[in-house]
Amino acid sequence: TQLLEQSPQFLSIQEGENLTVYCNSSSVFSSLQWYRQEPGEGPVLLVTVVTGGEVKKLKRLTFQFGDARKDSSLHITAAQPGDTGLYLCAVRGGADRGSTLGRLYFGRGTQLTVWP
Amino acid sequence: GAGVSQSPRYKVTKRGQDVALRCDPISGHVSLYWYRQALGQGPEFLTYFNYEAQQDKSGLPNDRFSAERPEGSISTLTIQRTEQRDSAMYRCASSLGHGRNEQYFGPGTRLTVT
Repeated sequence: TQLLEQSPQFLSIQEGENLTVYCNSSSVFSSLQWYRQEPGEGPVLLVTVVTGGEVKKLKRLTFQFGDARKDSSLHITAAQPGDTGLYLCAVRGGADRGSTLGRLYFGRGTQLTVWP
Repeated sequence: GAGVSQSPRYKVTKRGQDVALRCDPISGHVSLYWYRQALGQGPEFLTYFNYEAQQDKSGLPNDRFSAERPEGSISTLTIQRTEQRDSAMYRCASSLGHGRNEQYFGPGTRLTVT
């Protein structure tokens, strides 16, 4: 079973629309990260959320960490073709996992396509 | 400054051959990670190093896979006796220090086993 479940798996929208993608788990995390990956490139970190209920904004992107620190959402306002890519959420190994602290666990991602 | 580089970018090999994939991390980065990524999915952890020490190799699928970072900089991921199921994008990432620093990913090596 996946540690992080992302939904939807695919999303295809027109320029100017709003959208929300989700990252859910039954586990509690000390922090959660969102990445965007463009075709032919590696993932690039967008944001790290660390506090339950935290909301962070990055231009037209709004990230929220659930109160219980088990889930997160990413909302994009007025999507543009440049937002097209694979959106991934990820968590690190917990503090009690010793040498696994550095590794990242990724969800399967949401593939977003924004049409002009 | 230069980012993480990987070579080759593309590798096609016949089943049963050995392959070596190279990762050159960002200069000064202590930690180096190897991931494998299937098309349209998130990266899956393989192994990671702090300096030259391999800290965690629990993600390596089987004993045909090995990795080294002998001088604490460049790393090589070696796959022996390749099988078709090994075909994937292999990504390397590096970070400044232990644990919580941001990981910077390289462009990957696309491995195809025929």
